[in-house]
Amino acid sequence: NAGVTQTPKFQVLKTGQSMTLQCAQDMNHEYMSWYRQDPGMGLRLIHYSVGAGITDQGEVPNGYNVSRSTTEDFPLRLLSAAPSQTSVYFCASSYEYRDRKGETQYFGPGTRLLVL
Amino acid sequence: TQLLEQSPQFLSIQEGENLTVYCNSSSVFSSLQWYRQEPGEGPVLLVTVVTGGEVKKLKRLTFQFGDARKDSSLHITAAQPGDTGLYLCAGAGYAGNNRKLIWGLGTSLAVNP
Repeated sequence: NAGVTQTPKFQVLKTGQSMTLQCAQDMNHEYMSWYRQDPGMGLRLIHYSVGAGITDQGEVPNGYNVSRSTTEDFPLRLLSAAPSQTSVYFCASSYEYRDRKGETQYFGPGTRLLVL
Repeated sequence: TQLLEQSPQFLSIQEGENLTVYCNSSSVFSSLQWYRQEPGEGPVLLVTVVTGGEVKKLKRLTFQFGDARKDSSLHITAAQPGDTGLYLCAGAGYAGNNRKLIWGLGTSLAVNP
């Protein structure tokens, strides 16, 4: 199993450009999430999905769109890139424990994005 | 707002030393997880603790969940350079049917040879 894969690994954008960060998982997990990680801010949830066709906003959703047409794929779209979106982006997939005790998240290797 | 505070924020020690890092909250969690993140990579799960007072061991790493399920600690015995990384804790809970995962900011550990 490849686990969680993300592409691209690095990207440089100019302000106002759009792009899609790709994420795929082969573990048949119901849940998928997108995070951004910034120094001093930790991991912040952007959007998440609890299954194909179902998405919801996380803590910092503005400027980002997601869709979940299949269990495997969960792309993140930057509509009009801004320097504030310079960050490292992680995709994660997860399954929920029985008895609603929580979940285990499996992270991809990350995409490093620089917006000029 | 639920918060998870990790301490210390940074730790630099010599190989062979012991250390403990902490993860504290005023909120009760259904479970708490510890992850390690190495530079340039995503976090990797080390352990999940579910029961108050639970202790789990992973080789030289010992994890404990507080009795009230509000805090946790990670103790490393005889640290090695391979233990270097960012240690993150995450608390899981539910608000109604909505699941929540609260992340700490992490403890950055450097183990010097």
